[in-house]
Amino acid sequence: GDSVTQMEGPVTLSEEAFLTINCTYTATGYPSLFWYVQYPGEGLQLLLKATKADDKGSNKGFEATYRKETTSFHLEKGSVQVSDSAVYFCALRNFNKFYFGSGTKLNVKP
Amino acid sequence: AAGVIQSPRHLIKEKRETATLKCYPIPRHDTVYWYQQGPGQDPQFLISFYEKMQSDKGSIPDRFSAQQFSDYHSELNMSSLELGDSALYFCASSPTGDPNEQYFGPGTRLTVT
Repeated sequence: GDSVTQMEGPVTLSEEAFLTINCTYTATGYPSLFWYVQYPGEGLQLLLKATKADDKGSNKGFEATYRKETTSFHLEKGSVQVSDSAVYFCALRNFNKFYFGSGTKLNVKP
Repeated sequence: AAGVIQSPRHLIKEKRETATLKCYPIPRHDTVYWYQQGPGQDPQFLISFYEKMQSDKGSIPDRFSAQQFSDYHSELNMSSLELGDSALYFCASSPTGDPNEQYFGPGTRLTVT
């Protein structure tokens, strides 16, 4: 079945460091891919998305490129801030169902 | 901008009791999705509705049922509650023709004691 695998956390970085959170997926057909962010006590917020191969999603300095050949959708940011501390979920949508990865907690220290 | 509204935000129930969670989608969104997120876990898709009809079903227990009403709000009914039902329940909505645009509500935290 369809599934998403993302790197385990927590990931701890200093402010202004480069961030990569790996995400790979398994799916039939042509899924859409997403990154969601969840702050403590809050709901999921869509961070970025890509709907077809080679698309790059970007928002608030975060980027991810849909790589069909490696079935990956890694999240990157060039310079993280303390306010980026949250849990990040990679997700895919296929045939109207969403599948989420297990989440990666990011801690950014000043 | 209006967001997805969920009520209540917190709910405490005892084992074997019933609970009803409500979701009010963003205006003009006709599709609603329900998710369950256990402690430290990823959200699991439960069920979705489009135009008041069930459109898809995930890992929803038989003890749970849901429906979407004429005003597009949705209710998740949970009976014979078990300790393992303690979780954060999210509702999301999306507009017609754009299921990639799912907007999530803040969630209802259900605690079963």
